[in-house]
Amino acid sequence: KAGVTQTPRYLIKTRGQQVTLSCSPISGHRSVSWYQQTPGQGLQFLFEYFSETQRNKGNFPGRFSGRQFSNSRSEMNVSTLELGDSALYLCASSLKAPGVYGYTFGSGTRLTVV
Amino acid sequence: AQKITQTQPGMFVQEKEAVTLDCTYDTSDQSYGLFWYKQPSSGEMIFLIYQGSYDEQNATEGRYSLNFQKARKSANLVISASQLGDSAMYFCAMREGSGNTGKLIFGQGTTLQVKP
Repeated sequence: KAGVTQTPRYLIKTRGQQVTLSCSPISGHRSVSWYQQTPGQGLQFLFEYFSETQRNKGNFPGRFSGRQFSNSRSEMNVSTLELGDSALYLCASSLKAPGVYGYTFGSGTRLTVV
Repeated sequence: AQKITQTQPGMFVQEKEAVTLDCTYDTSDQSYGLFWYKQPSSGEMIFLIYQGSYDEQNATEGRYSLNFQKARKSANLVISASQLGDSAMYFCAMREGSGNTGKLIFGQGTTLQVKP
């Protein structure tokens, strides 16, 4: 079956712009989480959605937002981009919660802010 | 606060040998789950193995095994018979609670290089 699909794979944006990243989970998976990965801070949890509701949120400013659609696809948006937002953004999906199989991750979107 | 610590930034291992990647964790929860993920240079996080806090047996998945020492709060990953394709970054992660949350806390990772 198809894995978790993240688009686009690479993105270059200018400081101050906004960006929207997309994640299509594995068919049947209803839980989607987003993580930011940087060399300095490592992997940090952004937020989690389940059945279109935000279930959990990490410690990120309000410029970071997300949503989930009825087909479980999710988007995250970053407004007023800063240089420090340059990172690999990973999306992960699971049936309900990590359980014993953890999350299945996508290949990520690498965002560069210039 | 919940925390995962991986003290080995980088490790080398000879092909076909076994290697242990260290992970210690800190949590006040009685119920939690521990995961290991592999991240090749492509960026995708690949699930390797899971250990629940109430599991009495150490988890094993093929060449991967988890050395779970609950009292010491450690969950070391053992890779047997290393292969060149095992060269990657390895992350230890923890989920707190019984599983109704998708929030995983990750360690800083260990870069493993397998030498031919």
